[in-house]
Amino acid sequence: GQNIDQPTEMTATEGAIVQINCTYQTSGFNGLFWYQQHAGEAPTFLSYNVLDGLEEKGRFSSFLSRSKGYSYLLLKELQMKDSASYLCAVRSGAAYSGAGSYQLTFGKGTKLSVIP
Amino acid sequence: EPEVTQTPSHQVTQMGQEVILRCVPISNHLYFYWYRQILGQKVEFLVSFYNNEISEKSEIFDDQFSVERPDGSNFTLKIRSTKLEDSAMYFCASSRYPSGSSYEQYFGPGTRLTVT
Repeated sequence: GQNIDQPTEMTATEGAIVQINCTYQTSGFNGLFWYQQHAGEAPTFLSYNVLDGLEEKGRFSSFLSRSKGYSYLLLKELQMKDSASYLCAVRSGAAYSGAGSYQLTFGKGTKLSVIP
Repeated sequence: EPEVTQTPSHQVTQMGQEVILRCVPISNHLYFYWYRQILGQKVEFLVSFYNNEISEKSEIFDDQFSVERPDGSNFTLKIRSTKLEDSAMYFCASSRYPSGSSYEQYFGPGTRLTVT
């Protein structure tokens, strides 16, 4: 089975840095994604990790440790518009396999509130 | 920038009626997905579709559901005999490739289905 855990809610101050953690237990692993979702809108892609380490993309960075089943999303220089839910999603199945699992399994999301 | 589009944005139907949700994936994408998100809950995978057939489906995707790519651009989700618990936001997504790469799934804006 698949299990993905992330905190339900977090609050941070404008201009600060916040780290959102995600732990997962899945049958097979073929990448971890972070999506941002504003209320009532579609998830939008933020980052992707398939190998251990840190991926940086502007104000957003994502880290993965496959041995620990752990990832985090780091948001720097927080802005009010960053208030949203952040979804951790795991793609399972064998990499580079045509028979791999294509579906994403999502966590429940972390609702981030950025305050002045 | 190319995007996934969905119609209608909001559909209200009576219990027991059939509904068809429509999606136009990004034109050079080959893999198509449906997800749903019940209000306040996590995004859940329903089905993936490639080469005019279902690649994978979840336990949620029972005989009540069907998908079709009736022409070169549209991708539809049909729900027969809707139930109250089918009320949710339904997201269509597409990707260029399914796995073995960082090609993310792009989500459409969603169709909010309300069953009364």
